[in-house]
Amino acid sequence: NAGVTQTPKFRVLKTGQSMTLLCAQDMNHEYMYWYRQDPGMGLRLIHYSVGEGTTAKGEVPDGYNVSRLKKQNFLLGLESAAPSQTSVYFCASSSTGGMTDTQYFGPGTRLTVL
Amino acid sequence: SQQGEEDPQALSIQEGENATMNCSYKTSINNLQWYRQNSGRGLVHLILIRSNEREKHSGRLRVTLDTSKKSSSLLITASRAADTASYFCATAVSGSARQLTFGSGTQLTVLP
Repeated sequence: NAGVTQTPKFRVLKTGQSMTLLCAQDMNHEYMYWYRQDPGMGLRLIHYSVGEGTTAKGEVPDGYNVSRLKKQNFLLGLESAAPSQTSVYFCASSSTGGMTDTQYFGPGTRLTVL
Repeated sequence: SQQGEEDPQALSIQEGENATMNCSYKTSINNLQWYRQNSGRGLVHLILIRSNEREKHSGRLRVTLDTSKKSSSLLITASRAADTASYFCATAVSGSARQLTFGSGTQLTVLP
């Protein structure tokens, strides 16, 4: 099993450009999450999904959109990138999303917006 | 908002010594989890302690939880160079299922 994979690993954008980050998991997990991690800070939840076709907002959703068309994939979109979105983005998945459920993380995507 | 705050922000010890990291949080929780992040990698789950538990062990890890003080500690015994990583606490809040709130982390360096 590959676990949780993220594409791409690195990306540089200019202000105003758009891009999509892809997250894929092969563990048949129902729940998937997108976080961002800024220097000296913990992870902050952007959006999450409780199943195919569903999405919900997390703590910092502004400027991002997501889609979960297939159970194994969770896409994070930036429609008009801003320098404030320079960050490392992590995708995670969990089996049931229950309180005691473990989240499994991908290796991250480092995004720089110039 | 940061629910959990780790202390210290950075910790450097010699191999074989014990490492203790602390986490404080603000609201009532259902459980508290600890994760490890190696440089340039994703987070890996270490251990979970429920709000009705006071202490939990897993290998060289010992976690305590004091809900009256809203704090937790992670002890790594007999540390190894491979334990060098950032350690994060994450809280799950009742009524807010599926969302974990992470602290800012403790950077642990274990010197050989």
